Amino acid sequence: EVQLVESGGGLVQPGRSLRLSCTASGFNFGGYAMSWVRQAPGKGLEWVGFIRNKASGGTTEYAASVKGRFTISRDDSKSIAYLQMNSLKTEDTAVYYCIRERWQMVYWGQGTLVTVSS
Amino acid sequence: DIQMTQSPSSLSASVGDRVTITCRASQAISNYLAWYQQKPGKVPKLLIYAASTLQSGVPSRFSGSGSGTDFTLTISSLQPEDVATYYCQNYNSAPITFGQGTRLAIK
Repeated sequence: EVQLVESGGGLVQPGRSLRLSCTASGFNFGGYAMSWVRQAPGKGLEWVGFIRNKASGGTTEYAASVKGRFTISRDDSKSIAYLQMNSLKTEDTAVYYCIRERWQMVYWGQGTLVTVSS
Repeated sequence: DIQMTQSPSSLSASVGDRVTITCRASQAISNYLAWYQQKPGKVPKLLIYAASTLQSGVPSRFSGSGSGTDFTLTISSLQPEDVATYYCQNYNSAPITFGQGTRLAIK
Protein backbone atom coordinates (compact mmCIF):
# COMPACT_ATOMS: atom_id res chain seq x y z
CA GLU A 1 0.00 0.00 0.00
CA VAL A 2 1.36 3.39 -1.00
CA GLN A 3 1.74 5.69 1.99
CA LEU A 4 3.00 9.26 2.13
CA VAL A 5 3.38 10.96 5.49
CA GLU A 6 4.27 14.63 5.73
CA SER A 7 5.85 16.13 8.80
CA GLY A 8 7.57 19.30 9.91
CA GLY A 9 4.72 21.77 9.71
CA GLY A 10 3.93 24.29 12.39
CA LEU A 11 3.90 27.95 13.30
CA VAL A 12 6.80 30.03 12.01
CA GLN A 13 7.48 33.75 11.88
CA PRO A 14 7.73 35.63 8.60
CA GLY A 15 11.23 35.56 7.16
CA ARG A 16 12.16 32.33 8.91
CA SER A 17 12.73 28.86 7.45
CA LEU A 18 11.06 25.50 7.77
CA ARG A 19 11.76 22.10 6.29
CA LEU A 20 9.00 19.65 5.52
CA SER A 21 9.58 15.94 5.09
CA CYS A 22 7.56 13.38 3.18
CA THR A 23 8.25 9.81 4.22
CA ALA A 24 7.16 7.27 1.63
CA SER A 25 6.49 3.56 1.84
CA GLY A 26 4.85 0.83 -0.19
CA PHE A 27 6.57 1.53 -3.49
CA ASN A 28 9.95 1.92 -5.13
CA PHE A 29 10.55 5.52 -4.08
CA GLY A 30 13.57 6.03 -6.29
CA GLY A 31 11.57 5.22 -9.39
CA TYR A 32 9.15 8.13 -9.06
CA ALA A 33 9.09 11.89 -9.24
CA MET A 34 7.72 13.57 -6.12
CA SER A 35 5.61 16.69 -6.00
CA TRP A 36 4.37 19.26 -3.50
CA VAL A 37 1.01 21.01 -3.74
CA ARG A 38 -0.37 23.46 -1.19
CA GLN A 39 -3.77 24.72 -0.22
CA ALA A 40 -4.28 27.92 1.72
CA PRO A 41 -7.15 27.86 4.24
CA GLY A 42 -10.44 27.91 2.36
CA LYS A 43 -8.69 28.29 -0.98
CA GLY A 44 -7.89 26.17 -4.01
CA LEU A 45 -4.97 23.95 -4.93
CA GLU A 46 -1.63 25.50 -5.85
CA TRP A 47 1.23 23.54 -7.33
CA VAL A 48 4.53 24.19 -5.55
CA GLY A 49 6.97 22.06 -7.50
CA PHE A 50 8.41 18.64 -8.15
CA ILE A 51 11.65 16.70 -8.28
CA ARG A 52 12.27 14.13 -10.99
CA ASN A 53 13.65 10.73 -10.17
CA LYS A 54 17.37 10.14 -10.55
CA ALA A 55 16.91 8.30 -13.84
CA SER A 56 15.36 11.47 -15.24
CA GLY A 57 18.12 13.64 -13.86
CA GLY A 58 16.75 14.39 -10.39
CA THR A 59 16.07 17.96 -11.47
CA THR A 60 13.44 20.25 -10.07
CA GLU A 61 10.72 22.63 -11.24
CA TYR A 62 9.01 25.31 -9.15
CA ALA A 63 6.07 27.64 -9.22
CA ALA A 64 7.02 31.26 -9.76
CA SER A 65 5.59 32.16 -6.34
CA VAL A 66 8.19 30.03 -4.54
CA LYS A 67 11.12 29.93 -6.94
CA GLY A 68 14.31 31.07 -5.27
CA ARG A 69 12.86 30.56 -1.79
CA PHE A 70 11.82 26.89 -1.76
CA THR A 71 13.97 23.87 -2.58
CA ILE A 72 12.82 20.32 -3.14
CA SER A 73 15.27 17.50 -2.57
CA ARG A 74 15.16 13.76 -2.04
CA ASP A 75 16.99 11.02 -0.20
CA ASP A 76 16.23 7.80 -2.05
CA SER A 77 18.10 5.72 0.55
CA LYS A 78 15.58 6.85 3.17
CA SER A 79 12.55 7.19 0.86
CA ILE A 80 12.08 10.80 1.93
CA ALA A 81 11.34 13.92 -0.07
CA TYR A 82 12.00 17.32 1.43
CA LEU A 83 10.64 20.81 0.95
CA GLN A 84 12.99 23.44 2.31
CA MET A 85 11.15 26.72 2.70
CA ASN A 86 13.15 29.89 3.28
CA SER A 87 12.15 33.53 3.62
CA LEU A 88 8.63 32.50 4.48
CA LYS A 89 5.80 34.94 3.92
CA THR A 90 2.35 35.10 5.45
CA GLU A 91 0.92 34.06 2.09
CA ASP A 92 2.78 30.75 2.35
CA THR A 93 0.33 29.71 5.07
CA ALA A 94 -1.26 26.52 3.77
CA VAL A 95 -1.61 22.78 4.08
CA TYR A 96 1.27 21.26 2.16
CA TYR A 97 0.66 17.94 0.42
CA CYS A 98 3.28 15.51 -0.78
CA ILE A 99 2.32 13.56 -3.90
CA ARG A 100 3.83 10.67 -5.77
CA GLU A 101 4.49 11.58 -9.39
CA ARG A 102 4.43 14.93 -11.13
CA TRP A 103 1.60 14.82 -13.63
CA GLN A 104 -1.38 12.60 -12.73
CA MET A 105 -1.58 12.84 -8.96
CA VAL A 106 -3.03 9.60 -7.66
CA TYR A 107 -1.33 9.27 -4.29
CA TRP A 108 -1.41 12.16 -1.81
CA GLY A 109 -0.29 12.43 1.77
CA GLN A 110 -2.65 13.79 4.41
CA GLY A 111 -0.86 17.11 4.41
CA THR A 112 0.89 19.20 7.03
CA LEU A 113 -0.18 22.70 8.04
CA VAL A 114 2.30 25.53 7.84
CA THR A 115 1.25 28.78 9.48
CA VAL A 116 3.39 31.84 8.88
CA SER A 117 2.54 34.53 11.37
CA SER A 118 4.20 36.87 13.81
CA ASP B 1 1.96 30.23 -17.56
CA ILE B 2 -1.19 28.52 -18.73
CA GLN B 3 -4.28 29.74 -16.90
CA MET B 4 -7.12 27.35 -16.18
CA THR B 5 -10.59 28.86 -15.80
CA GLN B 6 -13.45 26.79 -14.46
CA SER B 7 -17.13 27.55 -14.67
CA PRO B 8 -19.29 27.83 -12.81
CA SER B 9 -17.54 28.61 -9.52
CA SER B 10 -20.38 26.96 -7.69
CA LEU B 11 -23.56 25.14 -8.52
CA SER B 12 -26.43 23.42 -6.84
CA ALA B 13 -28.30 20.51 -8.39
CA SER B 14 -30.76 17.82 -7.41
CA VAL B 15 -30.01 14.17 -6.88
CA GLY B 16 -30.24 12.41 -10.22
CA ASP B 17 -29.45 15.52 -12.26
CA ARG B 18 -26.84 15.61 -14.98
CA VAL B 19 -24.11 18.05 -13.98
CA THR B 20 -21.48 19.60 -16.22
CA ILE B 21 -18.43 21.59 -15.18
CA THR B 22 -16.26 23.27 -17.76
CA CYS B 23 -12.57 24.13 -17.76
CA ARG B 24 -10.86 26.37 -20.28
CA ALA B 25 -7.11 26.61 -20.79
CA SER B 26 -5.52 29.89 -21.88
CA GLN B 27 -3.63 27.99 -24.56
CA ALA B 28 -3.86 24.54 -26.10
CA ILE B 29 -2.78 21.69 -23.84
CA SER B 30 -3.75 18.75 -26.04
CA ASN B 31 -5.35 16.25 -23.63
CA TYR B 32 -3.02 16.87 -20.66
CA LEU B 33 -5.93 17.58 -18.38
CA ALA B 34 -6.97 15.94 -15.13
CA TRP B 35 -9.95 16.36 -12.83
CA TYR B 36 -9.87 16.04 -9.04
CA GLN B 37 -12.59 15.79 -6.44
CA GLN B 38 -12.03 17.17 -2.95
CA LYS B 39 -14.63 16.46 -0.33
CA PRO B 40 -14.77 18.72 2.73
CA GLY B 41 -11.83 18.05 5.03
CA LYS B 42 -10.38 15.41 2.74
CA VAL B 43 -7.43 15.01 0.41
CA PRO B 44 -8.02 15.57 -3.33
CA LYS B 45 -8.81 12.47 -5.34
CA LEU B 46 -7.94 11.94 -9.00
CA LEU B 47 -11.07 11.24 -11.03
CA ILE B 48 -10.00 11.58 -14.66
CA TYR B 49 -6.72 11.98 -16.50
CA ALA B 50 -5.79 12.47 -20.13
CA ALA B 51 -9.03 14.47 -20.37
CA SER B 52 -11.27 11.43 -20.62
CA THR B 53 -9.67 8.38 -18.95
CA LEU B 54 -11.45 7.31 -15.80
CA GLN B 55 -9.12 6.56 -12.90
CA SER B 56 -9.46 3.06 -11.51
CA GLY B 57 -12.24 2.75 -8.94
CA VAL B 58 -14.04 5.95 -9.93
CA PRO B 59 -17.77 5.46 -10.57
CA SER B 60 -18.78 5.38 -14.21
CA ARG B 61 -21.23 8.27 -13.73
CA PHE B 62 -18.17 10.50 -13.98
CA SER B 63 -16.86 11.27 -17.46
CA GLY B 64 -14.56 13.77 -19.09
CA SER B 65 -14.19 15.15 -22.57
CA GLY B 66 -12.37 17.77 -24.54
CA SER B 67 -9.06 18.56 -26.11
CA GLY B 68 -7.02 21.64 -26.85
CA THR B 69 -8.47 24.42 -24.70
CA ASP B 70 -11.98 23.34 -23.74
CA PHE B 71 -12.80 20.51 -21.37
CA THR B 72 -15.80 19.23 -19.47
CA LEU B 73 -16.44 17.03 -16.48
CA THR B 74 -19.87 15.43 -16.45
CA ILE B 75 -21.69 13.61 -13.68
CA SER B 76 -24.47 11.70 -15.40
CA SER B 77 -26.66 11.24 -12.33
CA LEU B 78 -25.73 13.29 -9.28
CA GLN B 79 -25.48 11.40 -5.99
CA PRO B 80 -25.38 12.83 -2.45
CA GLU B 81 -21.78 11.64 -2.02
CA ASP B 82 -20.70 13.80 -4.97
CA VAL B 83 -20.89 16.94 -2.85
CA ALA B 84 -17.37 18.29 -3.20
CA THR B 85 -15.18 20.86 -4.88
CA TYR B 86 -13.87 19.85 -8.29
CA TYR B 87 -10.61 21.06 -9.80
CA CYS B 88 -9.18 20.76 -13.26
CA GLN B 89 -5.41 20.53 -13.66
CA ASN B 90 -3.18 21.24 -16.62
CA TYR B 91 -0.14 19.01 -16.81
CA ASN B 92 1.02 19.81 -20.31
CA SER B 93 4.30 20.94 -18.82
CA ALA B 94 5.63 22.74 -15.79
CA PRO B 95 4.37 24.93 -14.27
CA ILE B 96 1.37 22.78 -13.50
CA THR B 97 -1.75 24.85 -12.96
CA PHE B 98 -5.12 24.19 -11.37
CA GLY B 99 -8.46 25.76 -12.00
CA GLN B 100 -9.94 27.79 -9.17
CA GLY B 101 -12.41 25.04 -8.30
CA THR B 102 -16.14 24.43 -8.66
CA ARG B 103 -18.13 23.84 -5.49
CA LEU B 104 -20.98 21.40 -6.03
CA ALA B 105 -23.90 21.21 -3.62
CA ILE B 106 -27.17 19.32 -3.48
CA LYS B 107 -30.43 21.26 -3.73
